Formats: sequence, C-alpha cells, structure tokens
Amino acid sequence: AQTVTQSQPEMSVQEAETVTLSCTYDTSESDYYLFWYKQPPSRQMILVIRQEAYKQQNATENRFSVNFQKAAKSFSLKISDSQLGDAAMYFCAYLPRDTGNQFYFGTGTSLTVIP
Amino acid sequence: DVKVTQSSRYLVKRTGEKVFLECVQDMDHENMFWYRQDPGLGLRLIYFSYDVKMKEKGDIPEGYSVSREKKERFSLILESASTNQTSMYLCASSLLGGAREKLFFGSGTQLSVL
Repeated sequence: AQTVTQSQPEMSVQEAETVTLSCTYDTSESDYYLFWYKQPPSRQMILVIRQEAYKQQNATENRFSVNFQKAAKSFSLKISDSQLGDAAMYFCAYLPRDTGNQFYFGTGTSLTVIP
Repeated sequence: DVKVTQSSRYLVKRTGEKVFLECVQDMDHENMFWYRQDPGLGLRLIYFSYDVKMKEKGDIPEGYSVSREKKERFSLILESASTNQTSMYLCASSLLGGAREKLFFGSGTQLSVL
C-alpha cells in the first residue's frame, strides 16, 4: 500500500530565510508523480510544485524547489526567501502514473513565518 | 477559470440528521473525489467517482454514501450524522487518463455535528 509520511507537524522560519519540509513515501511502483500542495487559511488547496519520478532533474518553481531522492523515497520541499504569505499547511502527495486515480496525502506540515 | 464549488462553507447539524454535502465542477472532469481532513491525519479519501453513477470506496467509507447523477455534481451523504463526523470535507476533481494528475479542489465545508 502506498503511504506518505510527513514527520514534521509544525515548522517555523524567519522571514527571508530558507526552510525545508520533509516527505517520505512508500511504493512498489516505478513511475509516479509527487506533489506539494499548500493550504492557506482560506482553505483553498493550491498546487505548489510537481515532480515526475522518471525525471531525474529536481523541479523548481520560483522560490520553491524540491530535493527528489528516488532510491531513498524522499521528496523534500525547500522554500527560499520565505515570505509572510508562505504561512500555510503544506501537504505532500503521491499519485501512481499509470494505475488508479487515487492521490495519497501526507498528514501535513504547518508552516509559520516569523516577521 | 476552472472551478470546484462546494455548496456550504460551514454547516452545523444535529446527531442523527441526514446531511448532504454538494460539490459541482465546471470543467467537464470525469473524476470527482470526497476527502475528509482532520488535524494530524491529513486528507483521507472517503469515496471517488470516475463516471456518472459510478463510485469507488476510498479509505474511510463507513458512515458515508455518495451520489453522482450528473457529471458535474458529486454529493456526499451522511445517512445519520454522528459527532465523530465533525470534520472538514474537501471535494476535488480531475480528468481521466494522462491529465489526471491535475487535481482541483473546492474550498471545503467545515461540518460540525452536535
């Protein structure tokens, strides 16, 4: 069974600093997608970044980047130059590429940005 | 702009009531999902549907049922609400096939069962 683990329930970062959120997952599939979603206080889930497992290059979206370690089944999110608007709950998620429609989500990390 | 709309942002119901949570999407998506979100437990899948009148159980279907009579609408039903069903409920939708990795969410319904 696929599981996604986020071991940090809460994290905090000083404004303008860098923070890394951790995620590990368990799967027997060889090809899949990994995601980081952000849920601000408005509750609207927003896709932050997506990684395709067959791509070795780590995905980057502006200040957000990932460290994808396929062998270790690790997928961490790095937020650089943190801003107050980055404060939110962050969820890591997994989707097998070719089988099924179900996304598997982690338990979330609540990020606080300190001014 | 793509949209998934949940009919209520907040809902308060009494134990034993029948509760309907409605979700509508305007993107002609085949897949629709109902998740439950609880602190420390993340998002857990209750049911999903990949076509009209089709449904599949997720990880926590007990106490819930669903209805999908039209492609754009997916309803979650609590037949007899209980206090342990107090939670945030999120609806989501996606296409079938290769584009299904794009998941679109509604803004959630916070349900309180008293």
